[in-house]
Amino acid sequence: IAGITQAPTSQILAAGRRMTLRCTQDMRHNAMYWYRQDLGLGLRLIHYSNTAGTTGKGEVPDGYSVSRANTDDFPLTLASAVPSQTSVYFCASSTQGSQVPAFFGQGTRLTVV
Amino acid sequence: GESVGLHLPTLSVQEGDNSIINCAYSNSASDYFIWYKQESGKGPQFIIDIRSNMDKRQGQRVTVLLNKTVKHLSLQIAATQPGDSAVYFCAENMVPGSNYKLTFGKGTLLTVNP
Repeated sequence: IAGITQAPTSQILAAGRRMTLRCTQDMRHNAMYWYRQDLGLGLRLIHYSNTAGTTGKGEVPDGYSVSRANTDDFPLTLASAVPSQTSVYFCASSTQGSQVPAFFGQGTRLTVV
Repeated sequence: GESVGLHLPTLSVQEGDNSIINCAYSNSASDYFIWYKQESGKGPQFIIDIRSNMDKRQGQRVTVLLNKTVKHLSLQIAATQPGDSAVYFCAENMVPGSNYKLTFGKGTLLTVNP
């Protein structure tokens, strides 16, 4: 089934630990995004990538890094997790020529303790 | 910066009725607006979009209306069904030509009663 797959589905992580959230899409979309969703707030963009080999910072990039070695994969890394990074993380992608995310993964619920 | 807001945090309707979900925006330069649906425990789903040069756009059972005079966006769902129960939120593209300056609203919870 075409779409976006995120892993893990949920995770409890000790503060200070490093963690990589995985995101894979099989739709060959060029643009991909990472958002966080917190209660009472709208989705906020962390990082994005317009095409393989390029990345950019979004609204809340601090504490996060991304890479885009190929079209399909867009992992998000927390170098040293802090409790404020407790959130639900969504990976998304855009269809060709679109400027906005249309396809989202199921999300990763991350709790930093 | 400017942000998107919603008039109603919750909306409860009877199955078969029409639903109207509202959204106010404050950036007159925004050129593109999107409505998303998010069911419990799932990722958002793109529903419908509209560009600022349009006043109305229709999809399957959904219509988006854009009133640029009062900076207001609405999503109308016809013959609401239980499967429409979800959080709906709007987003605006605050920087025309960019693909990373979307501002998302907090959402309205739509509950459809059978």
